[in-house]
Amino acid sequence: VQLLESGGGLVQPGGSLRLSCAASGFTFGSYAMNWVRQAPGKGLEWIGSISHSGSTYYNPSLKSRVTISVDTSRNQFSLKMISVTATDTAMYYCARDLGPVINPDNWFEPWGQGILVTVSS
Amino acid sequence: QSVLTQPPSVSGAPGQKVTISCTGSSSNLGAGYGVHWYQVLPGTAPKLLIFDNTNRHSGVPDRFSGSRSGTSASLAITGLQADDEAEYYCQSYDSSLSGSHVFGTGTKVTVL
Repeated sequence: VQLLESGGGLVQPGGSLRLSCAASGFTFGSYAMNWVRQAPGKGLEWIGSISHSGSTYYNPSLKSRVTISVDTSRNQFSLKMISVTATDTAMYYCARDLGPVINPDNWFEPWGQGILVTVSS
Repeated sequence: QSVLTQPPSVSGAPGQKVTISCTGSSSNLGAGYGVHWYQVLPGTAPKLLIFDNTNRHSGVPDRFSGSRSGTSASLAITGLQADDEAEYYCQSYDSSLSGSHVFGTGTKVTVL
């Protein structure tokens, strides 16, 4: 089982970031997927989840700026965040959910290696 | 700010036991949602240690154990080893507002 994030790097303040997560080693459509981030010196923060059917759930504090989508034909899912600021600078991780349906009691495993996004001019 | 509070740091000598607390409220741990624990080694991605309060993930040594009671949960590490030096996070769900998965504030474990 492997998850690999891509698309990170330098993003201008006020711009958008778009990350992808490519999955392999398991039946992609059988699992919900998640995005989690960790800002420098800070803790883990859940960004949002997408179920196998495409239903999405977002962190209320980020909901207005985030969109998670899935492309099951390519075994990939994506994160788009708009109107970014320096506080969005973080390591972004994708992580597999327990099963196909998003459940409050679910945990995340495995995780991708993470990808760094830096918001700066 | 996270709704799950952990001590910023704990330390212990090799072979000793350390315990990390995770304190929540009635909208998360007190509501009965499961608690899960992750280990973040320096420069690496989080790894699941404990799921559903007390269950060790595959391959996790039995030196790691989880417990919960009311609005709190704990992770215990016995027989502390040098490679246990890492950050540890609890995770649960909070039903306030629109509902959200939440992580604890994180605890740095230092092996003296």
